Amino acid sequence: DAKTTQPPSMDCAEGRAANLPCNHSTISGNEYVYWYRQIHSQGPQYIIHGLKNNETNEMASLIITEDRKSSTLILPHATLRDTAVYYCIVRVDLGLGHSTLTFGKGTMLLVSP
Amino acid sequence: EPEVTQTPSHQVTQMGQEVILRCVPISNHLYFYWYRQILGQKVEFLVSFYNNEISEKSEIFDDQFSVERPDGSNFTLKIRSTKLEDSAMYFCASRVDRLGNQPQHFGDGTRLSIL
Repeated sequence: DAKTTQPPSMDCAEGRAANLPCNHSTISGNEYVYWYRQIHSQGPQYIIHGLKNNETNEMASLIITEDRKSSTLILPHATLRDTAVYYCIVRVDLGLGHSTLTFGKGTMLLVSP
Repeated sequence: EPEVTQTPSHQVTQMGQEVILRCVPISNHLYFYWYRQILGQKVEFLVSFYNNEISEKSEIFDDQFSVERPDGSNFTLKIRSTKLEDSAMYFCASRVDRLGNQPQHFGDGTRLSIL
């Protein structure tokens, strides 16, 4: 799976949009970008994923650049409860069940009042 | 919304003892996983399980570890003779199918403390 690079930490004011970047310059054509987050002492929580089109769900939006070498997770109106470590993971699905996730250190997002 | 549940939330065990961690995956999911996270470190993959057999395992998953789906609903991780370095959070995850790109969904983990 392609390697990802994320800033170690970011700050965001409550109510503002949080834009979390991820670089994955070695991504290949069949690799998806997944975002998870981990709130202290809890299990990783799935947020969103995409291949090449931008995606939106009730939690967030995912913007993937046209060359697919980077992406941005957007939390449109951050709340204090969004304080967490955010992981960007690139994974290929071989259709053979080899779909393990490789977690990096992620970005620690601190949302402040 | 369906979720992965894990029990117990915290397990304290003497070194050398056997421990079994339990997970109930989401009901229509077919792929099951165990991960662990040592305090302050990354989440690490241990093993994946499909169709009643291990499909992939990491170097961490040595002969001291085993997994089982004994009754069609529970998914267990057994550590035969625990070591101090087995102290960690253990997360179970499940995924709906082997095709496509569906995400894994995680439980909230079992904190294993080895004394």
